This record gives sequence, structure tokens and C-alpha cells, in this order.
Amino acid sequence: DVKVTQSSRYLVKRTGEKVFLECVQDMDHENMFWYRQDPGLGLRLIYFSYDVKMKEKGDIPEGYSVSREKKERFSLILESASTNQTSMYLCASSPLRTSGSNEQYFGPGTRLTVT
Amino acid sequence: QQQVKQSPQSLIVQKGGISIINCAYENTAFDYFPWYQQFPGKGPALLIAIRPDVSEKKEGRFTISFNKSAKQFSLHIMDSQPGDSATYFCAASMRGGYQKVTFGTGTKLQVIP
Repeated sequence: DVKVTQSSRYLVKRTGEKVFLECVQDMDHENMFWYRQDPGLGLRLIYFSYDVKMKEKGDIPEGYSVSREKKERFSLILESASTNQTSMYLCASSPLRTSGSNEQYFGPGTRLTVT
Repeated sequence: QQQVKQSPQSLIVQKGGISIINCAYENTAFDYFPWYQQFPGKGPALLIAIRPDVSEKKEGRFTISFNKSAKQFSLHIMDSQPGDSATYFCAASMRGGYQKVTFGTGTKLQVIP
């Protein structure tokens, strides 16, 4: 089974703190994604990576950065956390699509509260 | 911006009834339409998916209906059960573009006994 793990299930940080969210996948997937999930807004893509050290902005990258130094690990960084970044953060991975499905495999999420 | 519009936002169905969730898309380059199911405290997981070359796909009690000309697709859950209570997301993606997936806003389904 594909497994995507996230470093924390719950996190409480103060405004202005630097926050690191870690994601690890064990299926040698090329693609990794960071989403935030908010009620009524669904899943919104923050950043994604299709290879080590490669990254692309998603739909809402402002206030975030990412790092992918190893294929299995994708980190989301909030340089200076703000209260409007309080949300559920979901990491996902998918294999390079050659044929068939384009399935993404999700981690359990990190609920971040910024006070 | 590529969008997938989903409705309703929430849905209450009696046990044994049919749950129907609708989605519409704009970009005709989309070629893969999955539905994800998310239980509380869990990440979303792929439930069922369809490609635009077929109009319907059925897996057990779950059916996707696809209308290419109208750019709409829907999820039907037959004989809905309390265990189906979850949030459902429709989505769309296209070949290339690093397999980005555009998600709908989600439907919270509650199946009552």
C-alpha cells in the first residue's frame, strides 16, 4: 500500500513564527503536492514538485515556500505564519503518468492553528 | 483559471436512498475525472474515476455519469448507507501539466438511518 505520512496531525503556532510541515511518501512517486483544505473552498493547490529540487507554484502560493531535497520528502514552509493560514494542510503524491489513472495518494493532514 | 464547480455543498439522504452529487467543468482539455471520498480525520482517497470516452462507469453502488457535450459529470450512490457519510470531491485533470488535479469544493454527505 502507498503510504504518505505527515509529520504532525495537529500544530499550534504563534503569528510570525516560521513553520515547517513535512511529508514523506514511500512509493517512489515523482510528483508531490501540498494543498490546503478549508470549508466551502475544497482543496486548493499551494505548490507541487515533479522532481527533486523542482517546484511549481499552484493556485495559492503566496506566503508559502517548499523544499524537495530528496525524492520521498516534500516540505511546506510558512516563513512568517499568519492567522489566515490557519487551515488543514494535505500532502499528496502521484506517480509519473504514463497511462491509466492519475490517482493522487493523500496523507492524513495537518491541522495548523496560528494564534 | 481552470475550475470545477460542485453542488450541493451538503446533502442529507435516508438510508437506502440515492445520493446524487453534480459537477461541471470548463476546460475541454480535461481527460480524467476522478471522485475522491474523505472520512473525518483522514485524507481524501480515490473512489472512482472516468474518462470522457465513456458515458457511465459503475463500481458496486457507485456510478459516474458523464455528459461530454454539457461538460458535466455526476456521482450516484445507490442504496446509500450510513457508512457512506463522508465528504466527496469531484476533480479533473489533463494529460501533461505534471498531473495537476483541479478539485471541486466538496459535498458533505450524511446518510441517516
